Amino acid sequence: AQSVTQPDIHITVSEGASLELRCNYSYGATPYLFWYVQSPGQGLQLLLKYFSGDTLVQGIKGFEAEFKRSQSSFNLRKPSVHWSDAAEYFCAVGTYGNQFYFGTGTSLTVIP
Amino acid sequence: DTGVSQNPRHKITKRGQNVTFRCDPISEHNRLYWYRQTLGQGPEFLTYFQNEAQLEKSRLLSDRFSAERPKGSFSTLEIQRTEQGDSAMYLCASSTGQGATNQPQHFGDGTRLSIL
Repeated sequence: AQSVTQPDIHITVSEGASLELRCNYSYGATPYLFWYVQSPGQGLQLLLKYFSGDTLVQGIKGFEAEFKRSQSSFNLRKPSVHWSDAAEYFCAVGTYGNQFYFGTGTSLTVIP
Repeated sequence: DTGVSQNPRHKITKRGQNVTFRCDPISEHNRLYWYRQTLGQGPEFLTYFQNEAQLEKSRLLSDRFSAERPKGSFSTLEIQRTEQGDSAMYLCASSTGQGATNQPQHFGDGTRLSIL
């Protein structure tokens, strides 16, 4: 069965520090992978997507993610976090027919 | 691209009442999705449409839930005889795509339902 695991419920980083959010997926075929960000009371905004090809993908707001098939992972990274990055981050896998499965999310707090 | 629009943003109702939410997708998007999100969880898939056809429904979608997309444009999600457990954020998303292809889904800001 398809599933997404985000092991870190909550992460706190200092502004300017680097960030890595973990995502592991379970899916029997080639996955389509996405990272979304959600601010309180808002919908989800797409940060980046992986469909095929280069395993390092660039997204908006300076984020990038690396697909590692051998580890079934799609971790999100940012070299220098800004206070405005504080939000909830969701990893998702898209399956045949475009049904998405989301992880439970990682809440990011940024301290000055 | 005006984005996905959902109305109302908030709905408070008494247990047992019926509620209806509306979603207007991005105009050129043929696929439309409904999700439910509870506190501390990611969105859970409810159902999706390709044009006016409802192609898939989750087991989460009980008989009290019904969704329509009559002309392949906007969609409505109705919950009949609401229960406390229906309290959640209901998210709508839309995308392009055909068949097995996967395209990013664009989300609205959601309708927050509170059952008294």
